Amino acid sequence: KNEVEQSPQNLTAQEGEFITINCSYSVGISALHWLQQHPGGGIVSLFMLSSGKKKHGRLIATINIQEKHSSLHITASHPRDSAVYICAVKETSYDKVIFGPGTSLSVIP
Amino acid sequence: DGGITQSPKYLFRKEGQNVTLSCEQNLNHDAMYWYRQDPGQGLRLIYYSQIVNDFQKGDIAEGYSVSREKKESFPLTVTSAQKNPTAFYLCASSISQGSPQPQHFGDGTRLSIL
Repeated sequence: KNEVEQSPQNLTAQEGEFITINCSYSVGISALHWLQQHPGGGIVSLFMLSSGKKKHGRLIATINIQEKHSSLHITASHPRDSAVYICAVKETSYDKVIFGPGTSLSVIP
Repeated sequence: DGGITQSPKYLFRKEGQNVTLSCEQNLNHDAMYWYRQDPGQGLRLIYYSQIVNDFQKGDIAEGYSVSREKKESFPLTVTSAQKNPTAFYLCASSISQGSPQPQHFGDGTRLSIL
């Protein structure tokens, strides 16, 4: 079992739809990151969370430490949101970052 | 603008050949990292460096080597000992590995075997 899992693996949505991507983890963490990987390969950090909720524009990230679960929501999705979204956790025991396998999102006009 | 520059974007390796991937950052970050990305898998850490002239093996260091002679530069050499080098390689940096700071990433280098 992977230490960081994401669902769904692939997601296709119509423009304007509300999108949720889930991340669950099995280790103790000090922080969780949501990253966006563009089709060309470059990665951008979207959020770093250790508790609660953060919002930036149309993106919302939440984390439930007790349930070891985080969600990334995209409101009013747009084709430019098409990318791979990666969840990564900063694990406390060995002070290392563990990456999830990513969720590939395609938003159709 | 500050950032991480990786070059080349695409690289081809012949059998038995060593190749070096470049990573340069102007963010004044202490820590730098090399990751390997394979389809359907999370990024895996190859090597990392927390300070000049010091580096540590990550989870999949076999067949790779690095150097950190300057704070700005952290080149990765894929040696002929790496039998399955075809992958996407990402370089990253952070202010310090000890604190949970967001990492900055380069645009990656895609390595293929001829």
